Amino acid sequence: DIVLTQSPALAVSLGQRATISCRASESVRSSMHWYQQKSGQQPKLLIYGASNLASGVPARFSGSGSGTDFTFTIDPVEADDIATYYCQQSRNDPYTFGAGTKLELK
Amino acid sequence: EVKLLESGGGLVQPGGSLRLSCAASGFTFTDFYMSWIRQPPGKAPEWLGVIRNKANGYTTEYNPSVKGRFTISRDNTQNILYLQMNTLRAEDTAIYYCARFTTVVFYWYFDFWGPGTMVTVSS
Repeated sequence: DIVLTQSPALAVSLGQRATISCRASESVRSSMHWYQQKSGQQPKLLIYGASNLASGVPARFSGSGSGTDFTFTIDPVEADDIATYYCQQSRNDPYTFGAGTKLELK
Repeated sequence: EVKLLESGGGLVQPGGSLRLSCAASGFTFTDFYMSWIRQPPGKAPEWLGVIRNKANGYTTEYNPSVKGRFTISRDNTQNILYLQMNTLRAEDTAIYYCARFTTVVFYWYFDFWGPGTMVTVSS
């Protein structure tokens, strides 16, 4: 299985930039996607194909990367962005998720 | 508007069985692949399996972690997705989500998720 490694938490100030990384144990090309999960809710798709914004998602969110190293950015961070963010690969079955990065306010 | 709504969760004893349902609306159900994904409390989601669309014969694929115990099926007349879970264990305790598995170009991803249903396996 492809293992996705994320930092467990990130503390940011409102209005600043938040950058979350995801490293894959082997190349997933551009088949990396990012989800936001707020407390008590289901995950919501934000970015697909490493850098494509999902429908209705604000342009404050962006993604980049290919191969094994990926970055997800929120700029600027708003209070409503406090959540856990997961990367997920669909290059190889079984499709796997990272352990999540919890975005916290400083 | 795409809507997915899971049901059927609850408390079940180890070794028992449970069938979850997911009612889908707002899209042409037979055109889409559908998946089940679970999330143990405080942990990351885990993909369980997928059932393909009509064009691909409604075939299935499973995560090896549940293959042989879990079965995904669909009722295309009522737009319902099912997850049959057998020989349940304590480690199957999780929120179970159904999700639409869609593709743009050659990217496959879960674009809509239901709110989930909680399954607790305990004596």
